[in-house]
Amino acid sequence: KQEVTQIPAALSVPEGENLVLNCSFTDSAIYNLQWFRQDPGKGLTSLLLIQSSQREQTSGRLNASLDKSSGRSTLYIAASQPGDSATYLCAVMGTGDKFYFGSGTKLNVKP
Amino acid sequence: NAGVMQNPRHLVRRRGQEARLRCSPMKGHSHVYWYRQLPEEGLKFMVYLQKENIIDESGMPKERFSAEFPKEGPSILRIQQVVRGDSAAYFCASSSQAGEKLFFGSGTQLSVL
Repeated sequence: KQEVTQIPAALSVPEGENLVLNCSFTDSAIYNLQWFRQDPGKGLTSLLLIQSSQREQTSGRLNASLDKSSGRSTLYIAASQPGDSATYLCAVMGTGDKFYFGSGTKLNVKP
Repeated sequence: NAGVMQNPRHLVRRRGQEARLRCSPMKGHSHVYWYRQLPEEGLKFMVYLQKENIIDESGMPKERFSAEFPKEGPSILRIQQVVRGDSAAYFCASSSQAGEKLFFGSGTQLSVL
């Protein structure tokens, strides 16, 4: 069964810092990996989707990389802002067409 | 194009009652997923449905829980004889095809008294 782990569980940084969130998964036979953002009491917003054949995806200040063979993905956030404060969730899709989620990294960007 | 719509937003039930959670996927989406989230935890897969079919219900408890996605109308997650441990946020997500981007609703917060 696929296990998804996210490190760190929580992160607090001053505004302007570049930061990296980590995601690891146990079964490398995945179809794609998706990063989400969740604000308190809200649903999830998709940030980036990386297909298994891709190495990275970029959207604005966000860059996500995928190393399928080692079972790792990173989400890089450049020049962090207080509005980036949220929980970031990583999800992988394996066999059976369903996503497995990590427990998330709770990010706090201080002004 | 409206997003994934879930209702109600909050649902309060007493132990033993039934809870019915509704999810209307995005227009054109025929794949629906239900997830449960406990406080400070990630999302746990419950069930994956396509129109009129349950594809995978491996994450759903065998008793008291059922789900459907009829040809017409929203997907329904039904919990019979609720217990306090059922209290959680239930999220619905949809996609146009398997493996495509997931779009989430705002969730239903179920509280069992």
